[in-house]
This record gives sequence, C-alpha cells and structure tokens, in this order.
Amino acid sequence: SYELTQPPSVSVSPGQTARITCSGDALPNQYAYWYQQKPGQAPVVVIYKDSERPSGIPERFSGSSSGTTVTLTISGVQAEDEADYYCQSADSSGTYWVFGGGTKLTVL
Amino acid sequence: QLQLQESGPGLVKPSETLSLTCTVSGGSISSSRYYWGWIRQPPGKGLEWIGSIYNSGSTYYNPSLKSRVTISIDTSKSQFSLKLSSVTAADTAVYHCARIATGGFDFWGLGTMVTVSS
Repeated sequence: SYELTQPPSVSVSPGQTARITCSGDALPNQYAYWYQQKPGQAPVVVIYKDSERPSGIPERFSGSSSGTTVTLTISGVQAEDEADYYCQSADSSGTYWVFGGGTKLTVL
Repeated sequence: QLQLQESGPGLVKPSETLSLTCTVSGGSISSSRYYWGWIRQPPGKGLEWIGSIYNSGSTYYNPSLKSRVTISIDTSKSQFSLKLSSVTAADTAVYHCARIATGGFDFWGLGTMVTVSS
C-alpha cells in the first residue's frame, strides 16, 4: 500500500525556521496537503495543493514541492505553532487518500 | 458555517460491528463539489483515512480496511454513515468525519472516541 514518510519529530527555537518533509512516490503527480493538530483538537489544513495557504492561516506557513518530496516551512516559529503536523495526498491513481505518520513540532 | 457532528456508541464488543453517523449542518451534503469521509486516530497515534463517499453514492475505501468497511449517504437527512465489521481492540480510536474539497479535508467533526472491549 502507498505510504507517505515524515520525520517523527522536529525541534526549533522560537523565531527560527522549521522545515518538515514528506516523501512519497506519487507526490510528483498528486497534490499534497498539510494539517496542524493540537492536543484534543481536530486537524486544521494549513497548506493545500502543495503551496496554497487557506484564508486565516498565518503567512509564516508555506509549502513547496520537489520531486517525490514536499516540505512544510514555518518561518519565525512561535510557541503556538507547537503541534503535530500531517501531510496528506493520494496514490498514483488518485483514488485513495493517505496521511503521513505525522511530525511532532517542538518549540524549545 | 459548516458543522459536522459524529454520533454513535462509544463502546463496541469485539467481533461486532461499529456504526457511526455524521450529521452535516450549515451546508449541503448534496453539493457536487465535495466528497465526505471518515478518518480515525488511535490513542497516541497518527491519522488513518478510512474511506470516502460522493453524493452519488460512489465509495472509496482504504485497501487495508476495505473488506470490513461500508460507507453510505442519506442526503435527505444530511447524514453519512460508517460501518466497520468484525472489530478488534486495534479499531479503538477517535473517529472523525470530514468534508473533502479541492482544499483538502477542510472541515472536520470534533471526533468521537470508540473503544472496542468486552
């Protein structure tokens, strides 16, 4: 079955830049989405279609794509950004959705 | 504002069938612009897509769960439902329903905890 691979954890100090990667064979042909989930809450989409930012999401969140890897970048990380982040995409046929394993972002 | 609310038993016995319903309010479940889906999250673990349904009734299931999952939709009640058969402790999770649009899974229910235990 198709899988998306994320690092389990990323740590940064406030004000620094956090980069979270997501790898998958179908990513060159399928859009990626990024979700932020804080404890006890439902996930919230922070990036869609690789690099688009929904209204209400701070400009410090951005997304990029290169080959089989997509990256979520958080510039000028704030304490409130501490959360779990999940990438999501579809398999090569576009029929089945899949989530990455999640990355815990710790703000030191 | 669109809202989704999951409902159903919080405790299911092993080998039985888990049944949940998602009620959609503040928007149309019949819109051709959206799919509707179920996602689960075991305690302390990541998100797992279970399956999705279109307003026509077309369904798409996670291959790893396909033999046990049925998702249906009732547009007259603005509801879609999940049935997961032959459950085990591994099916214990928070179950979320969500809307799927071009912007991804853009609206989520708060989720409902389902425990599989005798």
